[in-house]
Amino acid sequence: RKEVEQDPGPFNVPEGATVAFNCTYSNSASQSFFWYRQDCRKEPKLLMSVYSSGNEDGRFTAQLNRASQYISLLIRDSKLSDSATYLCVVNPGGSYIPTFGRGTSLIVHP
Amino acid sequence: GAVVSQHPSWVICKSGTSVKIECRSLDFQATTMFWYRQFPKQSLMLMATSNEGSKATYEQGVEKDKFLINHASLTLSTLTVTSAHPEDSSFYICSAPGLGEGNTIYFGEGSWLTVV
Repeated sequence: RKEVEQDPGPFNVPEGATVAFNCTYSNSASQSFFWYRQDCRKEPKLLMSVYSSGNEDGRFTAQLNRASQYISLLIRDSKLSDSATYLCVVNPGGSYIPTFGRGTSLIVHP
Repeated sequence: GAVVSQHPSWVICKSGTSVKIECRSLDFQATTMFWYRQFPKQSLMLMATSNEGSKATYEQGVEKDKFLINHASLTLSTLTVTSAHPEDSSFYICSAPGLGEGNTIYFGEGSWLTVV
């Protein structure tokens, strides 16, 4: 089993749609979790951190379920500009190496 | 603003030559930096972990003699692709764990390498 797994998609949705991505991780000792966004031919950029209590930033909501070892990202009212690849990152903390999922591709069409 | 700066953004070189890519942490010290490679439409692949003042730790399958990593200071790590070949053409990205809550990971802007 891979350490961090994501559905690669692509998720093809119309503008205004709500879309959700999940990411599962295998290391139960993982300490911090993030969603990154990567645009074509660019570096990944932090979208949001993920906390046990869940967090929301505008149209984006992230949730962490430690018991089931997954994190989720919900995007409401999708915009064309949301089209990108969304990377799930699990950080074991300490001197351990953060682990990336392979990314989920989102395409928002008019 | 950027907290990790990478240079050059893109480079074209001839086969057989060497190319150096720099990764600098701005406004913070990074004892550890990570180097990734990403081929088109593929996921980030960790190449090595760069450790300040000591040897880098390479992932399985990555040739340490070909991809030389130097982390001589707390703000600079360099990746040198030696004797480059066309198959080394890729997007190379560095990252560093930031300080503070959650150890957010900051990425450099990436370097596009094309070997002709």
